[in-house]
Amino acid sequence: DAGVIQSPRHEVTEMGQEVTLRCKPISGHDYLFWYRQTMMRGLELLIYFNNNVPIDDSGMPEDRFSAKMPNASFSTLKIQPSEPRDSAVYFCASSFGLAGGHQETQYFGPGTRLLVL
Amino acid sequence: AQSVAQPEDQVNVAEGNPLTVKCTYSVSGNPYLFWYVQYPNRGLQFLLKYITGDNLVKGSYGFEAEFNKSQTSLHLKKPSALVSDSALYFCAVTFSYNQGGKLIFGQGTELSVKP
Repeated sequence: DAGVIQSPRHEVTEMGQEVTLRCKPISGHDYLFWYRQTMMRGLELLIYFNNNVPIDDSGMPEDRFSAKMPNASFSTLKIQPSEPRDSAVYFCASSFGLAGGHQETQYFGPGTRLLVL
Repeated sequence: AQSVAQPEDQVNVAEGNPLTVKCTYSVSGNPYLFWYVQYPNRGLQFLLKYITGDNLVKGSYGFEAEFNKSQTSLHLKKPSALVSDSALYFCAVTFSYNQGGKLIFGQGTELSVKP
C-alpha cells in the first residue's frame, strides 16, 4: 500500500485566497483525521471522520475552516479565506476502528506545508 | 480531564548510551498508548503501542517501552542510542469511550544524540 497520500506537499498563497488540501487514506481504513502542527501549539486534532461522517470537529479553529469526505478514499480540508496565522504543517492520518471504540494505529501522511503571506 | 504529558522538552544523550523519553497520562479506564517519531520535514511514524499484557513492549528501530500502571506512565527506551535516532518523539493515548477513540498527543520531546 502507498500509505496516506497528501497533496500538495507545499503550498504558498496570499492572504485572502482559498486553500484546499487533499488526502487519500489507506484503503480499507474507516477513520480519517486532520491535524495541524505549529511550533507554538504543537500537534492539534482539527477534525475526524468515521465511515465518511464527521464525528468531532471541535478542533476546527473557526468558520474559515471546513472539511469534507465525499467517499472512503478522499477528503479535503479547505481554508477560505486564508490568513497568515494559518501557516502550519497539516497532516492527514487514517486508521481502522476496533470493537469497544478504540482504534488501531493511526498512519500519517507526509503533510502539507502551508505558508500564507 | 484526560491528558498526556511529556515532562521533558529535550533529551540529550551520547551515542551508545541508553536513552529514555518519558510519558505520563491521566485517565480513568484502560487507554491504549502509542509512541510516534517525527524526523525533520516528515510525517509521524508509528513506533509502538501498548494495549494490555506485558509491561515491556517491543517496537520499531530497536525501541521498547516500559509500562507502569501505578505511575500511569509509558516511557520509551533504547539500550544504545544512535545519532540517527535524533528526532521529535510523541506519546499519544486513545480513550475508548466518550472521545470516540481519538488520539490525545503529548507536546513532544526533542531527542538529540551526539557522536
